[in-house]
Amino acid sequence: GDSVTQMEGPVTLSEEAFLTINCTYTATGYPSLFWYVQYPGEGLQLLLKATKADDKGSNKGFEATYRKETTSFHLEKGSVQVSDSAVYFCALSGTGNQFYFGTGTSLTVIP
Amino acid sequence: DAGVIQSPRHEVTEMGQEVTLRCKPISGHDYLFWYRQTMMRGLELLIYFNNNVPIDDSGMPEDRFSAKMPNASFSTLKIQPSEPRDSAVYFCASREQGANYGYTFGSGTRLTVV
Repeated sequence: GDSVTQMEGPVTLSEEAFLTINCTYTATGYPSLFWYVQYPGEGLQLLLKATKADDKGSNKGFEATYRKETTSFHLEKGSVQVSDSAVYFCALSGTGNQFYFGTGTSLTVIP
Repeated sequence: DAGVIQSPRHEVTEMGQEVTLRCKPISGHDYLFWYRQTMMRGLELLIYFNNNVPIDDSGMPEDRFSAKMPNASFSTLKIQPSEPRDSAVYFCASREQGANYGYTFGSGTRLTVV
């Protein structure tokens, strides 16, 4: 069945460091891929998405490229800020009607 | 659009009491999902509806849990009787038809059963 695997956390970075959170997927067909962010005490918010191979989603300085050949959708940001501290979830939407979420990766950015 | 609206934001109740969580999805969204989030289990899908009809309730943990969607603008998740292990954050989410559309989540209801 469809599934998403993302890197274990927690991740702690200094401000202005480069961020990568790995995400790989297993799916039949051609899924759409998403990254969600959850700030403390809040619900999940859509951060970015890509709906077909080689698409790049981007938002708020974050980017992820849909790589069909490696079945990956890694999240990157060139220079993180303290305000980026949150939990990040990779997700896919496949042939069914529900999403498959990863387990989440907690990011803490220290000044 | 006000987004997905959940109420209450926080609920503290005693074991054995009935708890009702409420959700108003975004107008025009065909799907509604109820999730539970805990530190131990992460995000768990409990049930989802399509056009007000329950499609998959295999994630509902036991008969104490029930969910309804009487119309396109309202859904409830009920726990009766509640137990301490039900303590969690419960999220409602909605989306449009089509795999390209993401979910929009509500802010959640933090339930504490004492």
